[in-house]
Amino acid sequence: QSALTQPRSVSGSPGQSVTISCTGTSSDVGGYNYVSWYQQHPGKVPKVMIYDVNKRPSGVPDRFSGSKSGNTASLTISGLQAEDEADYYCCSYAGSYTLVFGGGTKLTVL
Amino acid sequence: EVQLVESGGGLVQPGRSLRLSCAASGFTFDDYGMHWVRQAPGKGLEWVSGISWNSGSIGYADSVKGRFTMSRDNAKNSLYLQMNSLRPEDTALYYCAKDPGRIAGRPVDYWGQGTLVTVSS
Repeated sequence: QSALTQPRSVSGSPGQSVTISCTGTSSDVGGYNYVSWYQQHPGKVPKVMIYDVNKRPSGVPDRFSGSKSGNTASLTISGLQAEDEADYYCCSYAGSYTLVFGGGTKLTVL
Repeated sequence: EVQLVESGGGLVQPGRSLRLSCAASGFTFDDYGMHWVRQAPGKGLEWVSGISWNSGSIGYADSVKGRFTMSRDNAKNSLYLQMNSLRPEDTALYYCAKDPGRIAGRPVDYWGQGTLVTVSS
């Protein structure tokens, strides 16, 4: 049950695009199409932004998109806005009724 | 509207026990798996435990296996986490969270507000 690997921080200017990676193994990210991404602002409850690798819940802007290749999932945020500044976590099913989270990535909008 | 309300957190001494509860409403509770996720102060999210709709399948993180027991009472729309032999590293905000499916097999889609557990002498 090792945590998924995410970069500690990423940054971008308003209007730019950023991509956050989430690397696991064939036992989690690579083995299932059950990867979600969560946005968490300071002191707030996490909010799901992407589920099942690339699906967006209603109400989430289409600036947010997800993908997966092999053991690595990615979250791309295009047209960065100030309110996107937050912590982002990936999460994957890891078999045997377990989940695993990434360590989290702090997104800074410059 | 899905609502998950945790309770039972507090300050407890190392080695002691605590039982968390989660009251669910706004959805058909016995149709979904459920999870507990925790977040230590200033740290990231850590999955703790998950349970299927009928309690037939339960999973635990290695860090809590043998010490924590997750259960549910579908008649009461309630979820529980019995935490024994608590350690300082168990200090965290504990979230109750809903699975999108019947088994505890997918990342969560709804979260409660959390209940804070502090383990300290």
